[in-house]
Amino acid sequence: SQTIHQWPATLVQPVGSPLSLECTVEGTSNPNLYWYRQAAGRGLQLLFYSVGIGQISSEVPQNLSASRPQDRQFILSSKKLLLSDSGFYLCAWRGGADTQYFGPGTRLTVL
Amino acid sequence: GNSVTQMEGPVTLSEEAFLTINCTYTATGYPSLFWYVQYPGEGLQLLLKATKADDKGSNKGFEATYRKETTSFHLEKGSVQVSDSAVYFCALSDVNTGFQKLVFGTGTRLLVSP
Repeated sequence: SQTIHQWPATLVQPVGSPLSLECTVEGTSNPNLYWYRQAAGRGLQLLFYSVGIGQISSEVPQNLSASRPQDRQFILSSKKLLLSDSGFYLCAWRGGADTQYFGPGTRLTVL
Repeated sequence: GNSVTQMEGPVTLSEEAFLTINCTYTATGYPSLFWYVQYPGEGLQLLLKATKADDKGSNKGFEATYRKETTSFHLEKGSVQVSDSAVYFCALSDVNTGFQKLVFGTGTRLLVSP
């Protein structure tokens, strides 16, 4: 069966510091992968998606970037965090019948 | 563009009450429809889905029917439990993009008291 992992689970970072969040998927190959952000009390915003290694598309211009160095690894990064980057970051992969399956999330607080 | 509208929350119910969370959508074509549930501090879990008109998705006592004529996908449960307290998201798959993009509603928080 497929499993999706995210780490770290929680992170507190100062403004201006770098960021690296990691997502890995097990049990499937060449999945479509997604990064979402959920701001406090709000819905989900799609940030990036990837259909394969090295293929990244951005949905919203912002302070973040994504990379996919391996088939089942998806990384979200920033060179300098802003206060507005705080939120709950969710990684997802696409399964059959247009269904997306989500990881446990990373809660990021920028102070 | 495609969009999903959910009823404002929180929805507050007593245990064993009947639940309805309204969801309507705007879309071109015939998207698949989903309900996801998010428990406190966790990621989203797929609750149920429907892929075509008149389909009924069901899981864990929850049901939703894909109504093309009213562009709705309301979530229902006959008897809620305290453990159902969570945030519920309605979503549709955007068939106009080259990849599978989900469009989410803003979520509805359900609070069930004993």
